[in-house]
Amino acid sequence: AQSVTQPDIHITVSEGASLELRCNYSYGATPYLFWYVQSPGQGLQLLLKYFSGDTLVQGIKGFEAEFKRSQSSFNLRKPSVHWSDAAEYFCAVGAYGNKLVFGAGTILRVKS
Amino acid sequence: EAQVTQNPRYLITVTGKKLTVTCSQNMNHEYMSWYRQDPGLGLRQIYYSMNVEVTDKGDVPEGYKVSRKEKRNFPLILESPSPNQTSLYFCASSGRGETQYFGPGTRLLVL
Repeated sequence: AQSVTQPDIHITVSEGASLELRCNYSYGATPYLFWYVQSPGQGLQLLLKYFSGDTLVQGIKGFEAEFKRSQSSFNLRKPSVHWSDAAEYFCAVGAYGNKLVFGAGTILRVKS
Repeated sequence: EAQVTQNPRYLITVTGKKLTVTCSQNMNHEYMSWYRQDPGLGLRQIYYSMNVEVTDKGDVPEGYKVSRKEKRNFPLILESPSPNQTSLYFCASSGRGETQYFGPGTRLLVL
């Protein structure tokens, strides 16, 4: 069965510092992979997605993610975090029926 | 504007009182899904539909019903809500193999 693991429940970084959020997936075929962000009290916004091709994917708000098949990972990165990036981040893998299997989420706190 | 709408956005009800949360999309998408979000668990799929009159259970279907009589609408029905169904609910839609669009969410409290 498909599954997604986000090992870090909470991460705190200083404003201006770099960020990496980890995501590991389990899926039998070539995965469709996604990162979503959810600000407090808000819905889900798609940051980026990987379907095929170049394994380094650029997204909105300066985020990027790298698909590494050998490690079953799809880590999200940002070179310089802004206070407005504080939110909860979800990694997801696409499955049959266009279902998304989500990780438990990582809450990002940004300290000034 | 392409969008998924849900109503109501907030709902407080009591145990056993039937309720329906509506979901509508204007993108002519075949696929629609319902998810619930709970702290520490992420989002989990309740039911999904691959087209009109085609629905199937997701990972946590107990206590829920759905129907897909029209392509644009996918209501979620709680026949007899219980407190463990207190959650944040999201509807989503997509074309085949495409990115899912999410609605704004419905926050439900069952007393």
